[in-house]
Amino acid sequence: GAVVSQHPSWVICKSGTSVKIECRSLDFQATTMFWYRQFPKQSLMLMATSNEGSKATYEQGVEKDKFLINHASLTLSTLTVTSAHPEDSSFYICSHRKPNTGELFFGEGSRLTVL
Amino acid sequence: QKEVEQNSGPLSVPEGAIASLNCTYSDRGSQSFFWYRQYSGKSPELIMSIYSNGDKEDGRFTAQLNKASQYVSLLIRDSQPSDSATYLCAVNGPHTGGFKTIFGAGTRLFVKA
Repeated sequence: GAVVSQHPSWVICKSGTSVKIECRSLDFQATTMFWYRQFPKQSLMLMATSNEGSKATYEQGVEKDKFLINHASLTLSTLTVTSAHPEDSSFYICSHRKPNTGELFFGEGSRLTVL
Repeated sequence: QKEVEQNSGPLSVPEGAIASLNCTYSDRGSQSFFWYRQYSGKSPELIMSIYSNGDKEDGRFTAQLNKASQYVSLLIRDSQPSDSATYLCAVNGPHTGGFKTIFGAGTRLFVKA
C-alpha cells in the first residue's frame, strides 16, 4: 500500500488565493521530505527539502515566500502556495526517502489549476 | 550538459518484445541509480535501484550499470501494453549537506498490442 499520502489530489483556485497541500509519511517518521513540481511533458524538478523542526531548504530559483513549507511533525509536511497565479498551475508531488537506500517514495500528487 | 540524460522517445515496441531504455549521467561521484515508472497523470513509482556495476534482475526488469561509462539502462522483457508509461532515470549524487536525487526528463514507452 501507499507509504506517502498526499491531499488534495486536485485543486482549482482563483488567482491570488492560497492553497495548502498536505503530505503524510505513513510507514516511518520522516525527518526529511521532498517537494517536487512537474509541468506537462517535463521531468520532476525538486523545489525544496522539508526538514522537521527547522527551516526548509529551497532550490535555486524557488521563491521561499511564495512556497511556504512547514514540517511540524515527523509524519506531516505541508506546502502552501501563496497568492497563486496561473503560472503556478502544475503537478506538485511530495516524497520521502527510504533510509540507507536513497529510494524515493512519492505521494499521489496534487494537480493545481489556478484560474 | 544535462546532469541526467535520456532519449525522450517515444520508444515503440510490440507486445512480447524487449524494451531497452538508456540513461547517461554527468557526475562521476554519483552513488545510487534508480528507475521510476510514471503513468500519465500519476506520480512516479520505483521500479529498480542499482548501486554497483553489473546487472540486477527483478522479474521482467533488468537494470544495468556501468560507472566507467556513466551509463545506466533498463531492459523490460516480454513487454506488455501495461508497461506503456514514461520511465524516469534518477541518480543520487553528492550535494551540499548530503546528497541529491536528479531526474532525467524521461523516456516515453509505448507497447503495441
